[in-house]
Amino acid sequence: GENVEQHPSTLSVQEGDSAVIKCTYSDSASNYFPWYKQELGKRPQLIIDIRSNVGEKKDQRIAVTLNKTAKHFSLHITETQPEDSAVYFCAAGEGGSQGNLIFGKGTKLSVKP
Amino acid sequence: DAGVIQSPRHEVTEMGQEVTLRCKPISGHNSLFWYRQTMMRGLELLIYFNNNVPIDDSGMPEDRFSAKMPNASFSTLKIQPSEPRDSAVYFCASDDRGKAFFGQGTRLTVV
Repeated sequence: GENVEQHPSTLSVQEGDSAVIKCTYSDSASNYFPWYKQELGKRPQLIIDIRSNVGEKKDQRIAVTLNKTAKHFSLHITETQPEDSAVYFCAAGEGGSQGNLIFGKGTKLSVKP
Repeated sequence: DAGVIQSPRHEVTEMGQEVTLRCKPISGHNSLFWYRQTMMRGLELLIYFNNNVPIDDSGMPEDRFSAKMPNASFSTLKIQPSEPRDSAVYFCASDDRGKAFFGQGTRLTVV
């Protein structure tokens, strides 16, 4: 089955700097790669996703890149703000209504003002 | 739509007792997932259903855990008997074309 590795487990940046979180996956059948943000005591919420037919996707200050050959994908947050502080999870799956999602262990991002 | 609804939000129970967690997925979503979250192990997929049928339960830790989905609008996760190491936050999620939407979670404490 799918196995997702996520690094780093913790990341501390200064407000305004960029943050990068990286994930690798094992199953070449995976074609859907979402990222979730979980604030303390709350549920994970989808912030951005990418499908395997696209190499990069951007939404304001966040972007995701995908390298299918190397089986890795990354989340980039630019101009970080204190409210970006949270745990971020990557996931990989086959997408569609018959797929399941396997999550990475999470990255705790702290943005210092 | 109110989103994925889980109950109870918090459950404290004594070791050995039966625990039942409930989930109402978003109407129209065909897949439902149960996840367990702990500090040590992160978000673990326990089981998922597609069109009410269990597809993959390989993540269910032991026979003490069971899950059912009798219809498209309801699922349960049962632990019998419960143990202290089952303490965790249990999330239910339903899926729309691969996008998982999570419920608020049930924080389970087994003492």
